[in-house]
Amino acid sequence: EIVWTQSPATLSMAPGERATLSCRASQSVSSNLAWYQQKSGQAPRLLIYDASNRATGIPARFSGSGSGTDFTLTISSLEPEDFAVYYCQYWETFGPGTKVDIK
Amino acid sequence: EVQLVESGGGLVQPGRSLRLSCAASGFTLGDYAMHWVRQAPGKGLEWVSGISWDSGSIGYADSVKGRFTISRDNAKNSLYLQMNSLSAEDMALYYCAKALGGGSGHPLYGMDVWGQGTTVTVSS
Repeated sequence: EIVWTQSPATLSMAPGERATLSCRASQSVSSNLAWYQQKSGQAPRLLIYDASNRATGIPARFSGSGSGTDFTLTISSLEPEDFAVYYCQYWETFGPGTKVDIK
Repeated sequence: EVQLVESGGGLVQPGRSLRLSCAASGFTLGDYAMHWVRQAPGKGLEWVSGISWDSGSIGYADSVKGRFTISRDNAKNSLYLQMNSLSAEDMALYYCAKALGGGSGHPLYGMDVWGQGTTVTVSS
């Protein structure tokens, strides 16, 4: 069984800063990794699929990278609407999430 | 507008059954695999079940296998989840989600359209 971790659990950032979120697997996996954003009281929104492809309508400040066991979601310059919880997903498993909150 | 609308949630006693529905609009449901994902209060996301476009590939999380049954009616643009033997561990907001691809009952490529969810409460 592959165990997924996301770090940090909480990221306190200011608008305009660069955020780097990590998703790590206990063993090497394919690139079928997705990232989602979930704001309070809302459904998840797909940001990235296949590790690095932005979903339709997702701003260019969101980017995904990584392979093997280590994957990263980067938000180049945080906008006020980006403060949310972010989940990675690989096949049937979602990571525990990283909360990005305002410093 | 591409949209998914879930219904059928509610309060149910432990051990009883409930059937969730998901109505799709703005796209052809029959072209895509579909999934159910749940979220317990204050918790993260958990994939529950998925079904390929033609119902030929179906998957379940271990936590619901043998109790839940997913199905679809492409002619009605609808997805269903029959939930039996419900327990407190099943209490959650249940989302219907459209897969990026069509061929698998397992969420291999991500889910790009989500409904707003329907709440299932299990209590005596």
